[in-house]
Amino acid sequence: KNQVEQSPQSLIILEGKNCTLQCNYTVSPFSNLRWYKQDTGRGPVSLTIMTFSENTKSNGRYTATLDADTKQSSLHITASQLSDSASYICVVSDRGSTLGRLYFGRGTQLTVWP
Amino acid sequence: EADIYQTPRYLVIGTGKKITLECSQTMGHDKMYWYQQDPGMELHLIHYSYGVNSTEKGDLSSESTVSRIRTEHFPLTLESARPSHTSQYLCASSDYRQASLFGYTFGSGTRLTVV
Repeated sequence: KNQVEQSPQSLIILEGKNCTLQCNYTVSPFSNLRWYKQDTGRGPVSLTIMTFSENTKSNGRYTATLDADTKQSSLHITASQLSDSASYICVVSDRGSTLGRLYFGRGTQLTVWP
Repeated sequence: EADIYQTPRYLVIGTGKKITLECSQTMGHDKMYWYQQDPGMELHLIHYSYGVNSTEKGDLSSESTVSRIRTEHFPLTLESARPSHTSQYLCASSDYRQASLFGYTFGSGTRLTVV
């Protein structure tokens, strides 16, 4: 069964600290993996997209890694800011159909305290 | 910078009412999607469209219907709303050629409450 599991479910850190969010997936055949940031009451916004051959991709203070062999990804946030408080969703796409089926994780709810 | 718009942002209606959630995108994307999301849960695909006059049901059974008469417009209709329809509804679009590179663009969502 194709699944995407994220950990931790929630995380509280102090402003300025770093943190790492985890994503494990069983989706096959794999096409790409995306990390989205979703503010409360808003739609998800794309942070990074990684294909099979990519190991690391950065977007400002966000760095995503992908290990396609172990089917794991992580999102590292450096020097956190209050505005980083949001849900971070891992989304994996398969190659099994023209639609490019998306499998969503439940997200990690990050809270940054001053 | 989002070029996909959903209205209304919030809606509270009574049971049995007919409602239409609007979704429009200005990017010329051929594919459009409706997702349902409950708090703390993953997004579930309820409808999608490959293009004009093309609509399909998604993974999650839904009593809603959709139409795609124009490329830019993908409204979702509930003929008779029930409390079980209370949820957040997210519209998204993607370009067939670029979906794998740039991902999907999501709207801000409609928070629906049926009382």
